[in-house]
Amino acid sequence: GENVEQHPSTLSVQEGDSAVIKCTYSDSASNYFPWYKQELGKRPQLIIDIRSNVGEKKDQRIAVTLNKTAKHFSLHITETQPEDSAVYFCAALVTGANSKLTFGKGITLSVRP
Amino acid sequence: DGGITQSPKYLFRKEGQNVTLSCEQNLNHDAMYWYRQDPGQGLRLIYYSQIVNDFQKGDIAEGYSVSREKKESFPLTVTSAQKNPTAFYLCASSKQGGIEKLFFGSGTQLSVL
Repeated sequence: GENVEQHPSTLSVQEGDSAVIKCTYSDSASNYFPWYKQELGKRPQLIIDIRSNVGEKKDQRIAVTLNKTAKHFSLHITETQPEDSAVYFCAALVTGANSKLTFGKGITLSVRP
Repeated sequence: DGGITQSPKYLFRKEGQNVTLSCEQNLNHDAMYWYRQDPGQGLRLIYYSQIVNDFQKGDIAEGYSVSREKKESFPLTVTSAQKNPTAFYLCASSKQGGIEKLFFGSGTQLSVL
């Protein structure tokens, strides 16, 4: 089955700096890669996703890049703010009947004011 | 908190006892999921259901049971066979045809007395 790994497990950045969170996946058939953000005590929420037919997607301060050859994808957050502090989960999916997401273990991002 | 509701927020289980976690959604989603969240372990899939009266085991189904008698409801029972039930349990739903975007409930924290 699919195996998704996130690196590093924790990340601390200064407010205003950029943060990059990387994930690798094992199943080359995976074709959908979402990122979820979970603030302390709250439910995970989708913040951005990318499909295997594109290499990059942006939404304001966040972007996701995908390298299918290397089987890794990354979340980029620019101009970080304290409210970006949260746990970020990446996931991978092979779409189809009974498809299911496989999540990474999450990374805790801390933005220092 | 509209959309998908979990109850109770906190639950305590005595040894040998079965407990049931509730999950209700009014999003008209066909698919529903149960995840277990442990510190540093990410989100692990327990059971999922793509349609009423049908469900499949996820990665860690042992010691758990579910039912899907109504589209809106997907209760999870933690049985006495689950020897390490203390965790944060998240229910999620998604539209038919794929689980691209998951909508999560606010979770239930289960602890053992």
